[in-house]
Amino acid sequence: QVQLQESGPGLVKPSQTLSLTCTVSGDSITSGDYLWSWIRQLPGKGLEWIGYIYHRGDTYYTPSLKSRASISVDTSKNQFYLNLKSVTAADTAVYYCARDLSAHYYDTWALDIWGQGTTVIVSS
Amino acid sequence: SSELTQDPAVSVALGQTVRITCQGDSLRSYYPSWYQQKPGQAPVLVFYGKSHRPSGIPDRFSGSISGNTASLAITGAQAEDEADYYCNSRVSNGSPPVVFGGGTKLTVL
Repeated sequence: QVQLQESGPGLVKPSQTLSLTCTVSGDSITSGDYLWSWIRQLPGKGLEWIGYIYHRGDTYYTPSLKSRASISVDTSKNQFYLNLKSVTAADTAVYYCARDLSAHYYDTWALDIWGQGTTVIVSS
Repeated sequence: SSELTQDPAVSVALGQTVRITCQGDSLRSYYPSWYQQKPGQAPVLVFYGKSHRPSGIPDRFSGSISGNTASLAITGAQAEDEADYYCNSRVSNGSPPVVFGGGTKLTVL
């Protein structure tokens, strides 16, 4: 079955760039016409969608992070990535990657497979 | 408004039925998705769209919608259903194109 796994540094200094990798296993990232999303959860808070990428490279970001976030994909490695630049303590969160079904359904938005999440702390 | 509103906390007696609600203007146009999140774990999709229940999700989980309010019903709640539940929805002409509710903490008594 398809599984996703986030990886990356757990500690990032303020003003630096947060870089995370999501490795997809069990199927090709190019199959099934899925989108691939990043979501974060601030400490003790709810979920915030960051953005998605299609395997051909099309991206879409939430407006509040659009100027700092960048999502890319490497289909040869079956991975997609999140870069978030100029981080502050407010970016401390658990970051999740997920498979996104929204291209399959016009009337709903569902994230059906999630990684286990990775905690990123922004601190000097 | 593109916001989704959920009650912060709901409780249910073991074996009884509980409905967790999600309210927002986008629900007049789109069906929500519902996620269960247990402490320290990633969210799990439990119901989405008009009538989709992912493989492996018990059939005691079901969704419905009326006007701008969607509900996730758990019929015969079990102890293992105690968790946080989040809804999300597409947003019409919205940016971002998807929003999450603030979550509901379900306690099974």
